[in-house]
Amino acid sequence: DQQVKQNSPSLSVQEGRISILNCDYTNSMFDYFLWYKKYPAEGPTFLISISSIKDKNEDGRFTVFLNKSAKHLSLHIVPSQPGDSAVYFCAASPSSTDSWGKLQFGAGTQVVVTP
Amino acid sequence: ETGVTQTPRHLVMGMTNKKSLKCEQHLGHNAMYWYKQSAKKPLELMFVYNFKEQTENNSVPSRFSPECPNSSHLFLHLHTLQPEDSALYLCASSQARGDGYTFGSGTRLTVV
Repeated sequence: DQQVKQNSPSLSVQEGRISILNCDYTNSMFDYFLWYKKYPAEGPTFLISISSIKDKNEDGRFTVFLNKSAKHLSLHIVPSQPGDSAVYFCAASPSSTDSWGKLQFGAGTQVVVTP
Repeated sequence: ETGVTQTPRHLVMGMTNKKSLKCEQHLGHNAMYWYKQSAKKPLELMFVYNFKEQTENNSVPSRFSPECPNSSHLFLHLHTLQPEDSALYLCASSQARGDGYTFGSGTRLTVV
């Protein structure tokens, strides 16, 4: 049962434009959300996170938006750069103590930034 | 250097072989994880160790056997694997939820 879903397996965007990646979740116990970026032959690296008490978190070119009522979050990258071409994973963590640290991941979205 | 080192980077093994994957973290984290990434699928949590104690076994077949001798090292012992076990195996560590996990680069496993 997949609790974190990234329905777009790929996204192509022109350099300088905005990339918008979407993620939906089904478990209302999730209260912490993260985005990871993965290049080929490397492990995922942490990009940005958001707690359920917020609806927006910004870090440089990256902004994550959280809509709890819709169980939806999105990652905006603006402006997109060629180095942003990678697979982006959405992840979520529940709030219960015994689930501490156990992230549930989406299947990833391959982003290609074209010149 | 990511702080989490996995060896080997690539492994090809027959179905009757026994091999081990190694993970080492130099970050002082207390929790370590094994994840499996198959093509076009989400990362699947396999095992969780918190302060060297296994706290999660996510219905993983017994042909995968984890070992955590200390907070810095994690092994995944493999025996009599199946071709469908071919995947990227990722190790991760964490201290707190604030920054999520730090991942290693993974071991690309091919079972023939």
